Amino acid sequence: GQNIDQPTEMTATEGAIVQINCTYQTSGFNGLFWYQQHAGEAPTFLSYNVLDGLEEKGRFSSFLSRSKGYSYLLLKELQMKDSASYLCAVRDRQGSYIPTFGRGTSLIVHP
Amino acid sequence: DTGVSQDPRHKITKRGQNVTFRCDPISEHNRLYWYRQTLGQGPEFLTYFQNEAQLEKSRLLSDRFSAERPKGSFSTLEIQRTEQGDSAMYLCAGTEGLRETQYFGPGTRLLVL
Repeated sequence: GQNIDQPTEMTATEGAIVQINCTYQTSGFNGLFWYQQHAGEAPTFLSYNVLDGLEEKGRFSSFLSRSKGYSYLLLKELQMKDSASYLCAVRDRQGSYIPTFGRGTSLIVHP
Repeated sequence: DTGVSQDPRHKITKRGQNVTFRCDPISEHNRLYWYRQTLGQGPEFLTYFQNEAQLEKSRLLSDRFSAERPKGSFSTLEIQRTEQGDSAMYLCAGTEGLRETQYFGPGTRLLVL
């Protein structure tokens, strides 16, 4: 089985930087995804990590440490529209294409 | 817009009725997934298809649930004898690329009264 842990809720100020952590315990590892989900909408893909290190994409960056079972999503220059749930999802074995999702972190950005 | 469509977007039904949902991925999506999501939870895997073959089903998928992908294009998910606990958002996703990134449709929100 899998255990994926994320904080339930975070708040931040417009223009600031926020880091959303994800820890996982899996029997294997075959990639980690971050998705953004606005209320009432479907998840949208943000980033993918399979090797250790930082992947940067505009205002969003994602980091992975496989040895620590740890990832974070870094959001810079926060905007009000970044208020959403952020889902961490892990594929836990070679040859499996099925990711298991965490419960998500609800981010509230205030002025 | 991921190009994945789902129909209907909302469904209200009475307990005990059967419902069917449809998902249309884009042609590049050879794998198609169904998930269920309830409030405050992440999506839970139900089943997936590679082309027309159903390759894996979750233990969450009771025998009241059945899914098909008859021609390897669109897929349907049927729930028989619905129960109030089936109320959820049902999401469909197609995958693309070497990373098998999942691209979700808008979902079908089911309410069982």
